[in-house]
Amino acid sequence: DTGVSQNPRHKITKRGQNVTFRCDPISEHNRLYWYRQTLGQGPEFLTYFQNEAQLEKSRLLSDRFSAERPKGSFSTLEIQRTEQGDSAMYLCASSLASLARWGDEQFFGPGTRLTVL
Amino acid sequence: DQQVKQNSPSLSVQEGRISILNCDYTNSMFDYFLWYKKYPAEGPTFLISISSIKDKNEDGRFTVFLNKSAKHLSLHIVPSQPGDSAVYFCAASAQGGSEKLVFGKGTKLTVNP
Repeated sequence: DTGVSQNPRHKITKRGQNVTFRCDPISEHNRLYWYRQTLGQGPEFLTYFQNEAQLEKSRLLSDRFSAERPKGSFSTLEIQRTEQGDSAMYLCASSLASLARWGDEQFFGPGTRLTVL
Repeated sequence: DQQVKQNSPSLSVQEGRISILNCDYTNSMFDYFLWYKKYPAEGPTFLISISSIKDKNEDGRFTVFLNKSAKHLSLHIVPSQPGDSAVYFCAASAQGGSEKLVFGKGTKLTVNP
């Protein structure tokens, strides 16, 4: 399967614990995005990488959140000192940014559902 | 501030008929628009897109129409099939889609046999 993969698919944790999620993008894609989706809402942008460089961070990404993409391949999203408000589906997407003006569709993984008790 | 709005939370149509899903946007910098379909417990699946230099794009049963002056787009599904039942998200981006996507809240489509 050459799609975007995310692990784990589900994570239940207690408030105050740290959690880390992993995303493996489509192999030739140079851009990787993280989004968060809560019930009844569309996905909300968190951050994205071009290769290993983190190019933009949303104000939703508090100091407790950190994302990395070492070597421009897989990415990890860590949440420290989790809070109940962090409960959400965390989605990863990847795309191949090209010089073409249009057409850089983002392809999403299945998501990691986080529940903070 | 909701930059992309899908004002209909749900839509129900009969199999074989047309489904029309609507989306409005407020940010004039958006120049690339996409529709995603989402089943429960799965990530969004890309369906179809349109750039701001076009007013229509077609792919099989799916057609997206863009009205830039009204800042409105719509997705037409003809004919609708029960397997089309899902939540449909409208998304918009500046810079031709290479930047972050801004999503609407989604419309749940139910196609009845």
